[in-house]
Amino acid sequence: AQTVTQSQPEMSVQEAETVTLSCTYDTSESDYYLFWYKQPPSRQMILVIRQEAYKQQNATENRFSVNFQKAAKSFSLKISDSQLGDAAMYFCAYRSAPFQGAQKLVFGQGTRLTINP
Amino acid sequence: DAGVIQSPRHEVTEMGQEVTLRCKPISGHNSLFWYRQTMMRGLELLIYFNNNVPIDDSGMPEDRFSAKMPNASFSTLKIQPSEPRDSAVYFCASLLAGVTDTQYFGPGTRLTVL
Repeated sequence: AQTVTQSQPEMSVQEAETVTLSCTYDTSESDYYLFWYKQPPSRQMILVIRQEAYKQQNATENRFSVNFQKAAKSFSLKISDSQLGDAAMYFCAYRSAPFQGAQKLVFGQGTRLTINP
Repeated sequence: DAGVIQSPRHEVTEMGQEVTLRCKPISGHNSLFWYRQTMMRGLELLIYFNNNVPIDDSGMPEDRFSAKMPNASFSTLKIQPSEPRDSAVYFCASLLAGVTDTQYFGPGTRLTVL
């Protein structure tokens, strides 16, 4: 079974600075998807960014980018120019590729990010 | 387009009562997932449906929990009888399998069992 580990329960950063959240995972599958979801106090789960394992290029969405290291099974999230609205719980998640395994998301434990003004 | 809709947003009930949570997936999506979020266990899948058929219910805690998807636009998660340990946030998510790889979540239902 796949597992996802986020080793940083809490992180804090000064507004406008850059912060990196860590995520590692374990799988024997060769094709899969990785996601970062944001959960603000409203508790809504919001997709931040996604990465297909077969793509070597790291995904980028505006101020958010990932460092995907397939061999190391590492998938970190970098937030540049942090804003107060980025404060939230961040979850790393794994999902098998279609027709390869269960389509459920497997989540890490989450990292609570605080932005200091 | 409307996102995933869940009702109620909050539910407070007493131990032993029946609780029904409802979900309307995004129109056209063919996969639906029920997740539960607790402090102790984090986010975990309870059950998911593909084309209204339950595919994986291995996460359903026990027989007190049941889920149905009578049609493509509606699903229910029922707990009978409810217990205090069922208190959690319950999320519904949907996906268009084979086309997109992203699950879109509803706002969740916060359930408190007294």
